[in-house]
Amino acid sequence: EAQVTQNPRYLITVTGKKLTVTCSQNMNHEYMSWYRQDPGLGLRQIYYSMNVEVTDKGDVPEGYKVSRKEKRNFPLILESPSPNQTSLYFCASSHKGGGYTFGSGTRLTVV
Amino acid sequence: SQQGEEDPQALSIQEGENATMNCSYKTSINNLQWYRQNSGRGLVHLILIRSNEREKHSGRLRVTLDTSKKSSSLLITASRAADTASYFCATDGRGWNNNDMRFGAGTRLTVKP
Repeated sequence: EAQVTQNPRYLITVTGKKLTVTCSQNMNHEYMSWYRQDPGLGLRQIYYSMNVEVTDKGDVPEGYKVSRKEKRNFPLILESPSPNQTSLYFCASSHKGGGYTFGSGTRLTVV
Repeated sequence: SQQGEEDPQALSIQEGENATMNCSYKTSINNLQWYRQNSGRGLVHLILIRSNEREKHSGRLRVTLDTSKKSSSLLITASRAADTASYFCATDGRGWNNNDMRFGAGTRLTVKP
C-alpha cells in the first residue's frame, strides 16, 4: 500500500530533550515536506526537500533540523524542544507536479 | 508565508445543498491543489488544477481557477454528512515548478443531516 509513515503518533516530552520524528514513504517520491498545524493557523511549512541531499527552509524552520540521506526517509529533528513547538506535525511526499500524500500526523506535546 | 487564503472560514449547510469554498493567492502559480482533512487526521488530496486550466471535475467536486484574479473555488454538489471536514487550498508558493506547496488556514464545512 502506497503510504507515508510517521512515528511516533503521539509524543509527550520535556523541554530540552532532543527528539526525532521519523517519516518514510514507499512511493519513490522526489518531494517531501514537513508541516506543523496549529489552531487557526492552518498548515505551515517547516522544511522541504526536492530530492536526496537537497533541503530548504520553509516558513517556520527555527528550532528544527532535517536530513534527506535516502530518498524514502525525511526525519524531523528537534534538538532542544520548547513548549511553543507543541503542535500537530505532518510529513508529506509527492512526485513533481503531483498531489501530496500525507502521513497520519504526530501530536507532540512539550512540557 | 501562507500563499492561499480560504473563504469563508466556516460554512454550515444542510445535506443535499451545494457548498462553495473560495481560495485567493498572491503570487503566480504552476498549480493549485485542494485537500480535505477530517478532524485531526492527515490531509487527503482531492484535485489538482494547473495554471493553464480553468475548470476541473472529479465526481461531485468542481474546481475553477481564475489566474487573472488569483482565485479558485471548490464546489461540492449534493453534499452529504460525510463531507463534513476542513478543506484547504495549496499553491506552489514560490512560483517555481517544484511542487513546494503552501497551505491556507482552511474552510471548516459542516453538513447537517
